[in-house]
Order: sequence, then structure tokens, then C-alpha cells
Amino acid sequence: DVKVTQSSRYLVKRTGEKVFLECVQDMDHENMFWYRQDPGLGLRLIYFSYDVKMKEKGDIPEGYSVSREKKERFSLILESASTNQTSMYLCASSLFTSATYNEQFFGPGTRLTVL
Amino acid sequence: AQSVTQPDIHITVSEGASLELRCNYSYGATPYLFWYVQSPGQGLQLLLKYFSGDTLVQGIKGFEAEFKRSQSSFNLRKPSVHWSDAAEYFCAVGGAAGNKLTFGGGTRVLVKP
Repeated sequence: DVKVTQSSRYLVKRTGEKVFLECVQDMDHENMFWYRQDPGLGLRLIYFSYDVKMKEKGDIPEGYSVSREKKERFSLILESASTNQTSMYLCASSLFTSATYNEQFFGPGTRLTVL
Repeated sequence: AQSVTQPDIHITVSEGASLELRCNYSYGATPYLFWYVQSPGQGLQLLLKYFSGDTLVQGIKGFEAEFKRSQSSFNLRKPSVHWSDAAEYFCAVGGAAGNKLTFGGGTRVLVKP
């Protein structure tokens, strides 16, 4: 079974703090993704990565950065947390195949509250 | 740009009744289409996917979906709902490079006893 784990289920931080969200997958997937989930808006892609040290912006990258130093680990960084970044954050991974789409496997999510 | 609309934010259905969740997509070419389910406190789980071929696709947990190109729709159905089907359901479309998906806003399903 593919497993995607996220470092915390719940996190409470203060405005201005630097926040790290960690994601680890155990199936040697090339692709990794960070989404945020808000009621009524579904999932919106923040950043994704095709390979180690590769990253590309998604639809809402402002206020976030990412790091992928190892294939199995993809970190989301909030450089200076703000209250409008209070949300559920979901990590996902998938195999890369150039000619088709592969299923994305999701972690359980981290609910971040910024006070 | 690709987009997905799920017109129903909430649906309440009685246990044993049928369920249909609507999904409309916008994409210029043949899309890759997915339905995911998120049970309370859980991550997303893939129910089914459509890439090509037969437009009626079967998934897990007794769900099926039908791709209708003329209507740009990919509606999800289940003939008889169980209490455990109470969850949030997301439709997603892929088509651009890079295995990216665009998700709809989700439909929350409540199941009445």
C-alpha cells in the first residue's frame, strides 16, 4: 500500500512565524504535490515537484515556498504565516508517466490554524 | 485553462436511495477525469477514473460514473447509498502537462437513516 504521511495532523502557529509542513511518501513516486483545501473551494494546488530539487508553481503559490532535497520528502514552507493561511493542507504523490495520468495518493492532511 | 464545477454543495439522501453527483468540466481536448472521496478526518481516496474507451466506468464501493462529451459532464452515481457513504466527493480533471489536476469545489453528502 502506498503511504503518504504528513508530520502533523493539527498545528497552531502565530502570525509571522515560519512554518514547515513535512510530507513523506514511501513508494518512490516522482511527483509530489501540495494543496490547500477550503470549504466551497475544493483543493487548490500550491506547488508541485517532478523530481528532486525540481519545483513548479501551482495556482496559488503566493506566501509559500517548497523544498525537495530527497525524492521521498516534500516540504511546504510558510515564510511568515498569516491568518489567511489558516486552512487544511494536503500532500499527494504519484508516479510520473509521460503519456498518461496516474492516481494521486493523498496524506491525511494537516489542519493549520494561524492566530 | 481547465476547470471543474460541482453545482451541488450539499446533498442529503436517505439510506438505500440512489445518489447522483454532478460534475461539469471545461477542457479543450479529451480530459482525464477522476472522482475522489474524502471521509471525515481522512485524506482523499480515488473512487474511479476515466481516460478513454467505454464512457461508463465502474469504481470502488459500488460507484460508477458516465462521461458525456457533448455535455462536458462526468456524473457520479450509486444505486443504493449506505450510511458509510456520508463524505465529501470531489471531481477532478487533468489534461495539461505534468500530471496536475484541477479539482471542483466538492459536494458534501449526508445520509439520513
